[in-house]
Amino acid sequence: AQSVTQLDSHVSVSEGTPVLLRCNYSSSYSPSLFWYVQHPNKGLQLLLKYTSAATLVKGINGFEAEFKKSETSFHLTKPSAHMSDAAEYFCVVRGVSNAGNMLTFGGGTRLMVKP
Amino acid sequence: EAQVTQNPRYLITVTGKKLTVTCSQNMNHEYMSWYRQDPGLGLRQIYYSMNVEVTDKGDVPEGYKVSRKEKRNFPLILESPSPNQTSLYFCASSFSGSGNTIYFGEGSWLTVV
Repeated sequence: AQSVTQLDSHVSVSEGTPVLLRCNYSSSYSPSLFWYVQHPNKGLQLLLKYTSAATLVKGINGFEAEFKKSETSFHLTKPSAHMSDAAEYFCVVRGVSNAGNMLTFGGGTRLMVKP
Repeated sequence: EAQVTQNPRYLITVTGKKLTVTCSQNMNHEYMSWYRQDPGLGLRQIYYSMNVEVTDKGDVPEGYKVSRKEKRNFPLILESPSPNQTSLYFCASSFSGSGNTIYFGEGSWLTVV
């Protein structure tokens, strides 16, 4: 079994300030973790992924995430927000076992960026 | 260009009228899956397929059917749609290993009246 909790449904930041989107997970497997972004009326685009290599993962558009097994967290950060970062962000856990290949999404965090 | 293609993108239909949402991928992926996205609930997995002729239920399979007769296609079938199936639907595909990137289609807006 696995689950994903995105701790904030909405985050509002000012342009140029840091972004922190929080994600906690649980999984019975050795999961892979992903962050996807969804802009309005668009599909989902991969930002970055963790697959049991380096725990600090760099993605596109200046985003990073750190996998912390002891805290079961995979928080997404960016040093300086840009207006174009306004979107919905999803943390995703993927666990593969003999029982199946399950993708579990968090509820999403809507990021708003103020000028 | 690598892509996942869904059709139709927008559909309004009536309760009980069977419909099929098609999904096709050109990346030779073994794994394909369907999700629905509803406000406040994120994306929930409906069905997935590990390969041709192999399908499994996700978290919310009730009211849906799928088939995987060819590797590239994974249609979602609503035999008797109901208003609670009004939603935004996404198809996705990837190679099977857990670390492989999942590619999503653009989404299909379905309204059942």
